[in-house]
Amino acid sequence: TQLLEQSPQFLSIQEGENLTVYCNSSSVFSSLQWYRQEPGEGPVLLVTVVTGGEVKKLKRLTFQFGDARKDSSLHITAAQPGDTGLYLCAGAPGSSNTGKLIFGQGTTLQVKP
Amino acid sequence: NAGVTQTPKFRVLKTGQSMTLLCAQDMNHEYMYWYRQDPGMGLRLIHYSVGEGTTAKGEVPDGYNVSRLKKQNFLLGLESAAPSQTSVYFCASSYGQRGETQYFGPGTRLLVL
Repeated sequence: TQLLEQSPQFLSIQEGENLTVYCNSSSVFSSLQWYRQEPGEGPVLLVTVVTGGEVKKLKRLTFQFGDARKDSSLHITAAQPGDTGLYLCAGAPGSSNTGKLIFGQGTTLQVKP
Repeated sequence: NAGVTQTPKFRVLKTGQSMTLLCAQDMNHEYMYWYRQDPGMGLRLIHYSVGEGTTAKGEVPDGYNVSRLKKQNFLLGLESAAPSQTSVYFCASSYGQRGETQYFGPGTRLLVL
């Protein structure tokens, strides 16, 4: 069974601080996605990374896919209260063509003004 | 476009009762998924469908059944609800293939007493 371990599970920081969320596995994924979920809503896709070593930037968010395609990180620069939410990583198993995703446990981020 | 919609939004059941959760999507997506979300456990796949008339088991299928009679609808049934099925249920859809974005509904909060 493929697993994605996400850390930390909870993060509370002050506005303006930087943070990094990690998503690790012993398995290879063909791609990895990051979703953000706000209370009472479903997850919404932030980014998909496909190539080992790939780095994508979305404003103050930087996403990286590990060279071996087993891990990923999300770095937020100068966090703002609007960044508060649940961040989920999700990997597409290399052997599957069903569109299934394996989700990490999630990281709850709280950014205090 | 409404995207992915779920009904009902909230439901309270007594142990042993049955119910059906309805998911509808208007994006002409082939693939649809049912997840449950519990604190600290991310999203776990219950059942999924790769096309009209087809369904398959996910990670945690016990106690649930599904049907996909029409392409736009995916139903999740609980024949005899148990307290362990108290959770938030999310439906998602995608075009399919590996690494495609999944579009989520707003969720159904279910409490089984």
